[in-house]
Amino acid sequence: AQRVTQPEKLLSVFKGAPVELKCNYSYSGSPELFWYVQYSRQRLQLLLRHISRESIKGFTADLNKGETSFHLKKPFAQEEDSAMYYCAARTDSWGKLQFGAGTQVVVTP
Amino acid sequence: GAGVSQSPRYKVAKRGQDVALRCDPISGHVSLFWYQQALGQGPEFLTYFQNEAQLDKSGLPSDRFFAERPEGSVSTLKIQRTQQEDSAVYLCASSSGTGIYSNQPQHFGDGTRLSIL
Repeated sequence: AQRVTQPEKLLSVFKGAPVELKCNYSYSGSPELFWYVQYSRQRLQLLLRHISRESIKGFTADLNKGETSFHLKKPFAQEEDSAMYYCAARTDSWGKLQFGAGTQVVVTP
Repeated sequence: GAGVSQSPRYKVAKRGQDVALRCDPISGHVSLFWYQQALGQGPEFLTYFQNEAQLDKSGLPSDRFFAERPEGSVSTLKIQRTQQEDSAVYLCASSSGTGIYSNQPQHFGDGTRLSIL
């Protein structure tokens, strides 16, 4: 079955430490992959997408087709990075998204 | 408006009642999606509209769920004879693009939190 897996429900890191959120997908072909973020009391918003190959708020994500992974990384976590992060894949003709269960990131000072 | 607007923000209903959830997409956005997010889970796709046409309803969990977008803008998700398992946050998203090859992202609303007693 096609699915997106985020193995960590909660990730707690110290400010200034590196943070890596894992995402694995199981799809045939080449899905388009995204990271969405939801800050406290805010709506879900796009953080970055693999086709853009850009860095947003210091975050990067590399698509590894061999490992079917799209892990999100930031070298130095900030307190404002505390949020819920969702990995998502878009595969069908209409563009619907399939989300992982999400990882809660808590950055402590 | 500046973004996708959903109403009501919170809805409490007794089991067996019908509910209607509204989504106002960003003006001019062709694509509209509904998702259901259960507690502790990621959003799950329910249905997709391109303008007024409902092109994919494969995610609707039962025939108690019905969605419409009659004029290609505002959409309503209706749930008949609600059950406790319908309790969730219902998210609406819109996009100016259509389909997988569009570069346009989906913009989400704040959601409607539905609680069935």
